Amino acid sequence: NAGVTQTPKFQVLKTGQSMTLQCAQDMNHNSMYWYRQDPGMGLRLIYYSASEGTTDKGEVPNGYNVSRLNKREFSLRLESAAPSQTSVYFCASSESWTGGWDTIYFGEGSWLTVV
Amino acid sequence: SQQGEEDPQALSIQEGENATMNCSYKTSINNLQWYRQNSGRGLVHLILIRSNEREKHSGRLRVTLDTSKKSSSLLITASRAADTASYFCATGGNKLVFGAGTILRVKS
Repeated sequence: NAGVTQTPKFQVLKTGQSMTLQCAQDMNHNSMYWYRQDPGMGLRLIYYSASEGTTDKGEVPNGYNVSRLNKREFSLRLESAAPSQTSVYFCASSESWTGGWDTIYFGEGSWLTVV
Repeated sequence: SQQGEEDPQALSIQEGENATMNCSYKTSINNLQWYRQNSGRGLVHLILIRSNEREKHSGRLRVTLDTSKKSSSLLITASRAADTASYFCATGGNKLVFGAGTILRVKS
């Protein structure tokens, strides 16, 4: 039982390049999330998906797009990377569509550097 | 914007001592959660306390909630070197909002 798996673990991008962060969970959870973590800032929600086929903006959605491909997979795309998007990205999932009432399970993170 | 703010930002103690971290939040909540993050890893859920609860225990962890003061505290008793990590409080519904965290260092 792998939990939440995200790839890649590390990535260096040049400004203007695009990339997709992949995330999959094997816990049959309904809700999935993408957070970014910057030093001293805690985690900030980028996008979340309460169920398959739905997505909603979080606190910092600008510059990102997401796709809930199916119940298991939730991808995050940077269309034109900027240095301000250098961060650690975490995918997470929870059982209920009312995510705040449940334990949220996190992946191990993806370290992205934009130069 | 962050709903929860942890205090202190950093805490260094000796193994065996107790560690107390505090969280303050701004708006009414349904529940409050605490998470731990080891260096270079993802967050791990520790405990959830509902708004109608005042105290909750889990092993060496004790969490209190004071809704009148909009604050919560996490107490780790008899700390171990393995407790060295960052600790975050989080509140909210679907859009769970995390504080900036307290960095705990337990020296052996």
